[in-house]
Amino acid sequence: DAGVTQSPTHLIKTRGQHVTLRCSPISGHKSVSWYQQVLGQGPQFIFQYYEKEERGRGNFPDRFSARQFPNYSSELNVNALLLGDSALYLCASSLEGAGNTIYFGEGSWLTVV
Amino acid sequence: QKEVEQDPGPLSVPEGAIVSLNCTYSNSAFQYFMWYRQYSRKGPELLMYTYSSGNKEDGRFTAQVDKSSKYISLFIRDSQPSDSATYLCAMSEMTGGYQKVTFGTGTKLQVIP
Repeated sequence: DAGVTQSPTHLIKTRGQHVTLRCSPISGHKSVSWYQQVLGQGPQFIFQYYEKEERGRGNFPDRFSARQFPNYSSELNVNALLLGDSALYLCASSLEGAGNTIYFGEGSWLTVV
Repeated sequence: QKEVEQDPGPLSVPEGAIVSLNCTYSNSAFQYFMWYRQYSRKGPELLMYTYSSGNKEDGRFTAQVDKSSKYISLFIRDSQPSDSATYLCAMSEMTGGYQKVTFGTGTKLQVIP
């Protein structure tokens, strides 16, 4: 079975631009979460979606937004990119929104120049 | 004070050694405890998942949770060079209707042949 898949794997953007990252969860999983991992740090929670609804949001500015589609895939959007947004963006899926193990994809490496 | 504290290392051990990795936490609401392994430029891979105090064993890995002391550990027996990676502890709580996961900063482990 396929694990969590993310695209693109690497991308370079210029300050002020917009980026969209995509994620497909493990088949049967209904919950998707997004994390930001800066070099040398642990992943930081950005959003959790379950059944297409936002269930939780971390301490990130409104430039960050996400959505989940009927097939449970998800997009993370970041507007007005800053140099500090350069990081590994991880998508994780779980069966439901609570009390379940989360499984990560390989991530999307974003570099903002 | 961070909710989850983890020594970033690096930790260097000879092949065959027993490795002990530790995290402390301050949030009594944490219910689930996980360990992830992350190779360089890859997504985190789930190693162990537990929700109660005590020990859980899986092959060469043993996870230990002491809720009274707010302390968790991961032991790796007969360490191998392929175990060289960053190990992340993670803890989750139910808050606002969703599962919020908080990670430590990760401990970088090097197993020397």
